[in-house]
Amino acid sequence: QQQVKQSPQSLIVQKGGISIINCAYENTAFDYFPWYQQFPGKGPALLIAIRPDVSEKKEGRFTISFNKSAKQFSLHIMDSQPGDSATYFCAARGVRAGGSYIPTFGRGTSLIVHP
Amino acid sequence: NAGVTQTPKFRILKIGQSMTLQCAQDMNHNYMYWYRQDPGMGLKLIYYSVGAGITDKGEVPNGYNVSRSTTEDFPLRLELAAPSQTSVYFCASSYSSGGAGEQFFGPGTRLTVL
Repeated sequence: QQQVKQSPQSLIVQKGGISIINCAYENTAFDYFPWYQQFPGKGPALLIAIRPDVSEKKEGRFTISFNKSAKQFSLHIMDSQPGDSATYFCAARGVRAGGSYIPTFGRGTSLIVHP
Repeated sequence: NAGVTQTPKFRILKIGQSMTLQCAQDMNHNYMYWYRQDPGMGLKLIYYSVGAGITDKGEVPNGYNVSRSTTEDFPLRLELAAPSQTSVYFCASSYSSGGAGEQFFGPGTRLTVL
């Protein structure tokens, strides 16, 4: 059962273009939606995150758009740069039995930005 | 701060061998996690811990064991290694699971079982 569906699996964008990665979730109890960025040979690192009471969050060239009614959220990378080439994971966090909040990750999107 | 450290970086095991993947964090985080990452499959939670002496299963715990005797360390034990356990393993920690809940990941251990 895939609770967080991420698309596309891979994405190729020209330098200066907009990269868009989409995620959809099923569990309405999820309360926190982070995006992680992973460079080859490294562990993932938090990029940006949003809570469901906010429809958009922007940090520099990175923006999360959140549609609570559609249970979808997306990452937009404006003015994409070759240094943005990485794998991006969306995640959704929900409470487990026992009260711990544990994130569920999407399958990842490999982004390549051509110079 | 070193953050989250993992050893070894790479390891090749033969089927049936056992090993322990080490993970340590120096941020005084209560929560620690073990994930495995397979190509195109994202991060799957193996085990997690909410504090010293407390552990719980994640999505894919079979074939693995963990212990948490201190706040800093969270080793992952593989017993009777199988080819299906070939993967990249990431340890992570967070101050809490609620609130901001940002997870900090280690650099990973690439394990091959032949």
